[in-house]
Amino acid sequence: NAGVTQTPKFQVLKTGQSMTLQCAQDMNHEYMSWYRQDPGMGLRLIHYSVGAGITDQGEVPNGYNVSRSTTEDFPLRLLSAAPSQTSVYFCASTLTRGTEAFFGQGTRLTVV
Amino acid sequence: EDQVTQSPEALRLQEGESSSLNCSYTVSGLRGLFWYRQDPGKGPEFLFTLYSAGEEKEKERLKATLTKKESFLHITAPKPEDSATYLCAVNTNAGKSTFGDGTTLTVKP
Repeated sequence: NAGVTQTPKFQVLKTGQSMTLQCAQDMNHEYMSWYRQDPGMGLRLIHYSVGAGITDQGEVPNGYNVSRSTTEDFPLRLLSAAPSQTSVYFCASTLTRGTEAFFGQGTRLTVV
Repeated sequence: EDQVTQSPEALRLQEGESSSLNCSYTVSGLRGLFWYRQDPGKGPEFLFTLYSAGEEKEKERLKATLTKKESFLHITAPKPEDSATYLCAVNTNAGKSTFGDGTTLTVKP
């Protein structure tokens, strides 16, 4: 049982480049979310989805896009990378609202 | 706006020295309060869920409690392997979670 799988684990981008962070879960969870974590801080919600075809903005959505075409996958797109997007990104899934989240191993992104 | 505040930011204990971590929250429509443990370089791992005031959960040396405004994570006779960052999060009727900034616990042998 893989749980939540994120790829890649590490990535270096140049300012202005675009890329997609992949997230897949095999637990048939309804809810999926993307967070970023900066040094000394907790997790800040970027975007979340309450089911296939439904997405909504979190606390820090600017510069990121998401889509949810299947229950399993929830990719995060950086449209034009900026140094301020240097961070560790975590994807999480939950069975439904009010249940515990399962997290991926994280993607460490550096924008130079 | 939902808010979660954790204190202290950092806590250093000697092995065997019991203490508590605090998580205070302001939310509308609480669906659950969660505690997670995060080790360096890894994603958070689930510890406890609390749903209503007065509820308590225990696991080994950890005990979580909940009131209408805050939650405590009590650590009894901690060991060095309990060293980690402990995150508190609230889940609301909207289905999204808000996290606190965490408490980094260091337990010295």
